[in-house]
Amino acid sequence: SQTIHQWPATLVQPVGSPLSLECTVEGTSNPNLYWYRQAAGRGLQLLFYSVGIGQISSEVPQNLSASRPQDRQFILSSKKLLLSDSGFYLCAWRDRDSYNEQFFGPGTRLTVL
Amino acid sequence: DQQVKQNSPSLSVQEGRISILNCDYTNSMFDYFLWYKKYPAEGPTFLISISSIKDKNEDGRFTVFLNKSAKHLSLHIVPSQPGDSAVYFCAASDGHSGNTPLVFGKGTRLSVIA
Repeated sequence: SQTIHQWPATLVQPVGSPLSLECTVEGTSNPNLYWYRQAAGRGLQLLFYSVGIGQISSEVPQNLSASRPQDRQFILSSKKLLLSDSGFYLCAWRDRDSYNEQFFGPGTRLTVL
Repeated sequence: DQQVKQNSPSLSVQEGRISILNCDYTNSMFDYFLWYKKYPAEGPTFLISISSIKDKNEDGRFTVFLNKSAKHLSLHIVPSQPGDSAVYFCAASDGHSGNTPLVFGKGTRLSVIA
């Protein structure tokens, strides 16, 4: 069966510090991968998605970037965090070229102070 | 422009009664719709889906209805239980593959009161 991992689960970082959140998927190949953010009291905002290694689509211009160095690994990064980067970050995967549902990871709670 | 709208940010229902969560969409190219349930500090979990070729899909206590002419779908939970208290997200997809990202509504917080 497929599983999706995210780490760390929680993170407290000072403003201006770098960020690296990692997501890995097991039990599937060639998945589409997604990064979402849920700010406090808000909905799910799609940040990036990837349909293959090295292929990244950005949905919202911002302080963040994403990379996909391996088929089942998706990384969210920032060189300098802002207060507004605080939120709950979710990674998700979906079978490519299929009509299946999308599966989410457990999330990372990021607090920027 | 919000393509998927959940106009009720919150809903309270008595235990045992029916919960009806609504969702409207504007993109006529959407042909696959999903509902997700989210507890605090957890990732959303898939609940139920419906293809545009159907108008109803049922799974246990959960039923999703689709009205394509009105561009409206709803999730019915019968009977509602306290464990159903969560945020529910409606999502839609245009295209016949998983390559198109799902478009999510802003969610409706359901509170089931014992």
